Amino acid sequence: GQSLEQPSEVTAVEGAIVQINCTYQTSGFYGLSWYQQHDGGAPTFLSYNALDGLEETGRFSSFLSRSDSYGYLLLQELQMKDSASYFCAGGLNTGFQKLVFGTGTRLLVSP
Amino acid sequence: SQTIHQWPATLVQPVGSPLSLECTVEGTSNPNLYWYRQAAGRGLQLLFYSVGIGQISSEVPQNLSASRPQDRQFILSSKKLLLSDSGFYLCAWSTTGFSGNTIYFGEGSWLTVV
Repeated sequence: GQSLEQPSEVTAVEGAIVQINCTYQTSGFYGLSWYQQHDGGAPTFLSYNALDGLEETGRFSSFLSRSDSYGYLLLQELQMKDSASYFCAGGLNTGFQKLVFGTGTRLLVSP
Repeated sequence: SQTIHQWPATLVQPVGSPLSLECTVEGTSNPNLYWYRQAAGRGLQLLFYSVGIGQISSEVPQNLSASRPQDRQFILSSKKLLLSDSGFYLCAWSTTGFSGNTIYFGEGSWLTVV
């Protein structure tokens, strides 16, 4: 089957750096993406790793190691508004964007 | 630019009543369309996807159904709701074919079955 595991909750303070890990169990994923979801809102796309390595987008970076079936999202210079749930998602190339979402990590940023 | 809208935003329905959630996409043609469900504090579960008008695929057995009567319209329905149908329903779209794991979600619909 296909599954992606994440820590359920991570806490940090403003200005800090936090890493949210994602490990997956499948050989069929062609890439890993990350989505952010604030309470009561819809998920929004953050980043995508098609290949191994680090992708940087402003304060957010994402890393993928396909040989280790592992990825992470790195958030720097944390702000209160970063408090949200973060989901990794593996893509299955079935002719359309079939994404399998991870269990989700709730990030709590405190002053 | 592309936009996606779904409605209603919230609804409270009694057990056994019907359901209809509607979603429309603007600014693109022939999108892939999806319905996801999210139980409280949980991840996202893909319910249905569609690659074209009248083409619907179901991911999980349930008492829900989906239809795509027009290119950019996607409808989620049920004839008789169950308590377990409560949750946050999200419509989403992506461009045709492969686009780097990027799908775009609508605002979501909160369904409470009582």
